[in-house]
Amino acid sequence: NAGVTQTPKFQVLKTGQSMTLQCAQDMNHNSMYWYRQDPGMGLRLIYYSASEGTTDKGEVPNGYNVSRLNKREFSLRLESAAPSQTSVYFCASGGLRRSDTDTQYFGPGTRLTVL
Amino acid sequence: GDSVTQMEGPVTLSEEAFLTINCTYTATGYPSLFWYVQYPGEGLQLLLKATKADDKGSNKGFEATYRKETTSFHLEKGSVQVSDSAVYFCALITRGYQKVTFGTGTKLQVIP
Repeated sequence: NAGVTQTPKFQVLKTGQSMTLQCAQDMNHNSMYWYRQDPGMGLRLIYYSASEGTTDKGEVPNGYNVSRLNKREFSLRLESAAPSQTSVYFCASGGLRRSDTDTQYFGPGTRLTVL
Repeated sequence: GDSVTQMEGPVTLSEEAFLTINCTYTATGYPSLFWYVQYPGEGLQLLLKATKADDKGSNKGFEATYRKETTSFHLEKGSVQVSDSAVYFCALITRGYQKVTFGTGTKLQVIP
């Protein structure tokens, strides 16, 4: 099992450009998440999807959109990148309810710089 | 809302020293508690967890006990190694919800 995979690993954008971060998991989890990690801020939840076909806003959703393409895949889109979106982005998937006690499994991250 | 407070770092220790990283929480309902570890350049991975009061989670020599009376889940290790250098995150999830609340992380540096 690959676990949670993310592409790309690194990306540099100019202000105003758009891009999509891809995430896939092969653990048959219902829940998937997008976080951003900034120095001194810990992890902040951008969007999550509790199940296929549903998405909900997290703590910092402005400037982002998501798509839960199917049970395996959950993408994050930046429509018009801004320097404030320079960050490390992590995708995670959650354990099934009533098993695995809600442990989250994280991908390796995407390091995004917006110039 | 739910929140997690953990001690600020960085924490610098010599090899074989005793480690404590404090974590306290506020939560509606009855949370499960976690410690995650992030090694340089990697994503977070679960270190240990506890799901009810007085449970002790343990892994790789690390331990933490779920203390409901003090709303705490402090991480301890008796003898740290250089390879333990990483950022440690305390986290909780409230049953019935599927969002995790993370602390801001504590960076540990162990020197030989």
